[in-house]
Amino acid sequence: EIVLTQSPDFQSVTPKEKVTITCRASQSIGSSLHWYQQKPDQSPKLLIKYASQSLSGVPSRFSGSGSGTDFTLTIISLQTEDAATYYCHQSGGLPWTFGQGTKVEIK
Amino acid sequence: QLQLQESGPGLGKPSETLSLTCTVSGGSISSSSYQWGWIRQPPGNGLEWIGSIHYSGSTYHNPSLKSRVTMSVDTSKHQFSLMLSSMTAADTAVYYCATGVGGIFDYWGQGTLVTVSS
Repeated sequence: EIVLTQSPDFQSVTPKEKVTITCRASQSIGSSLHWYQQKPDQSPKLLIKYASQSLSGVPSRFSGSGSGTDFTLTIISLQTEDAATYYCHQSGGLPWTFGQGTKVEIK
Repeated sequence: QLQLQESGPGLGKPSETLSLTCTVSGGSISSSSYQWGWIRQPPGNGLEWIGSIHYSGSTYHNPSLKSRVTMSVDTSKHQFSLMLSSMTAADTAVYYCATGVGGIFDYWGQGTLVTVSS
């Protein structure tokens, strides 16, 4: 099983600050790494697919990078509505797995 | 746009079998591109992929749940289903159905809380 380890587990950030979340895979998964945002009492929402591919309707302040085992989700100029838990997810090998999540709080 | 809706009992007893159904609208469950999946989230915890099924009937599941998982698809009803046997309190979670291409989950249901308690 491919283990995804996110860091940090928690981040408290001031609006307009930059947020960086990393996800490390226990083995190479190419670019088969995706990012989701989950707000309280809501279903997860796909933000970025295949490490860096943006999705229609997702604000441009969200971007992803990386390949192999190391990946990053960046939020430029954090907005209050970005308070959520962010998960990485890999589809590079079965079973598909998720990271443990990174909770982003607004100061 | 695809919409998914879970249905099933919200409460079950230990050793019983959980049965959930996901109804698909706004698109075809018979699409060759999509896999139809189940993901769960224990209260206050992270996400765990349970398994996925293609409309052809081929399945992929998480070995951590061993042989307790059965999935099926009914194209005539635009539904796919999950059965989880021998439930314990550790199976208490919000269960989501979700779909997408290539192991990515683009569309999610709203989730249904299942509590296992005697």
